[in-house]
Amino acid sequence: GQNIDQPTEMTATEGAIVQINCTYQTSGFNGLFWYQQHAGEAPTFLSYNVLDGLEEKGRFSSFLSRSKGYSYLLLKELQMKDSASYLCAVRALDNYGQNFVFGPGTRLSVLP
Amino acid sequence: KAGVTQTPRYLIKTRGQQVTLSCSPISGHRSVSWYQQTPGQGLQFLFEYFSETQRNKGNFPGRFSGRQFSNSRSEMNVSTLELGDSALYLCASSLDSRGPGYTFGSGTRLTVV
Repeated sequence: GQNIDQPTEMTATEGAIVQINCTYQTSGFNGLFWYQQHAGEAPTFLSYNVLDGLEEKGRFSSFLSRSKGYSYLLLKELQMKDSASYLCAVRALDNYGQNFVFGPGTRLSVLP
Repeated sequence: KAGVTQTPRYLIKTRGQQVTLSCSPISGHRSVSWYQQTPGQGLQFLFEYFSETQRNKGNFPGRFSGRQFSNSRSEMNVSTLELGDSALYLCASSLDSRGPGYTFGSGTRLTVV
């Protein structure tokens, strides 16, 4: 089976840095995704890691360690608009195609 | 460039009825996947279509089915609705099924009463 864990909630201050961790157990790993979802809206793609290492995209960075089944999303210079849920998702390939498993999401609150 | 379009946005159905939801992917995208999102279970994968073929299916009962047309538009059908089917149904599209960057539609919020 596949399993993904993330912290349920986090709080940080505007201008600070926050790291959201994600651990996973899966077979046929074929990529890890991070999505941002504001309340009542659709998830928005943030980042994609398929190889070990750090991917940087502006204020957002994502790291992957496949051997440890671990990823994190780093948000720098936090802004109030970053208050949202952050979803970690793993794509796995099997004989029938691909399957996505989403984590429960981490609700981030950015305080002034 | 238009995004992923889902219709209708909101739907209220009665237990036992059936419902069909529609998803139009971004032009040129051939992969469409469907998800159910509920407060208790989070986002769960339903199925994925690529070039009119179902590539994979999540752990949902046979009441949930889908199809994809030659223009890549996809429909999802739920028969014999149950109260627990009340959820936000999201579809996402991408150029192919192996790359990054899936784009989600705004979803259809289904309420079963």
